[in-house]
Amino acid sequence: DAGVTQSPTHLIKTRGQQVTLRCSPKSGHDTVSWYQQALGQGPQFIFQYYEEEERQRGNFPDRFSGHQFPNYSSELNVNALLLGDSALYLCASSLDREIYEQYFGPGTRLTVT
Amino acid sequence: GQQVMQIPQYQHVQEGEDFTTYCNSSTTLSNIQWYKQRPGGHPVFLIQLVKSGEVKKQKRLTFQFGEAKKNSSLHITATQTTDVGTYFCAALKPPWDSNYQLIWGAGTKLIIKP
Repeated sequence: DAGVTQSPTHLIKTRGQQVTLRCSPKSGHDTVSWYQQALGQGPQFIFQYYEEEERQRGNFPDRFSGHQFPNYSSELNVNALLLGDSALYLCASSLDREIYEQYFGPGTRLTVT
Repeated sequence: GQQVMQIPQYQHVQEGEDFTTYCNSSTTLSNIQWYKQRPGGHPVFLIQLVKSGEVKKQKRLTFQFGEAKKNSSLHITATQTTDVGTYFCAALKPPWDSNYQLIWGAGTKLIIKP
């Protein structure tokens, strides 16, 4: 039973560029949440996808967008990258009825220079 | 907005000593979850507490939810090197029946002194 997978593991981008991060949820899970984790901080909720729609959004600008596909996998897109976007981006999957028990992927380390 | 305050930020212990981290909220929580993140790793779900005054144990770990459901604690007895990491609490942002966003504490980093 594969857990949550994310790609790529590391990424270096330049300010102003755009990036797409990918996530495959744990088998059987239908809900995907994305988090940004700065060094030494707790995860900050970006948004959650369920049934291919953004169900809820945290306090992040519109530069952050996402998508969920029919197979429940998900993408996070960030446009017009800023230096402050450098962080670990975590994807977490869960069952809709058990959203509190979230299974995290290994994350994508994004560095913006 | 709702915040979950977690203390201390760091705790240095000798191997074999106990460790405790606390989470506090100014508002009543629906439930609270605890996660562990190893250095360089990702958060791993440990447990969820739902009932007022609930106490749950996992081997050397004891989790408590306060009677008013505004605070919670994680206590580790006789720490081992495998316990090293950052422990986070997370709670659902109200209104609970229409919200899916977990609010996370800042974490407590457990450091074992050499």
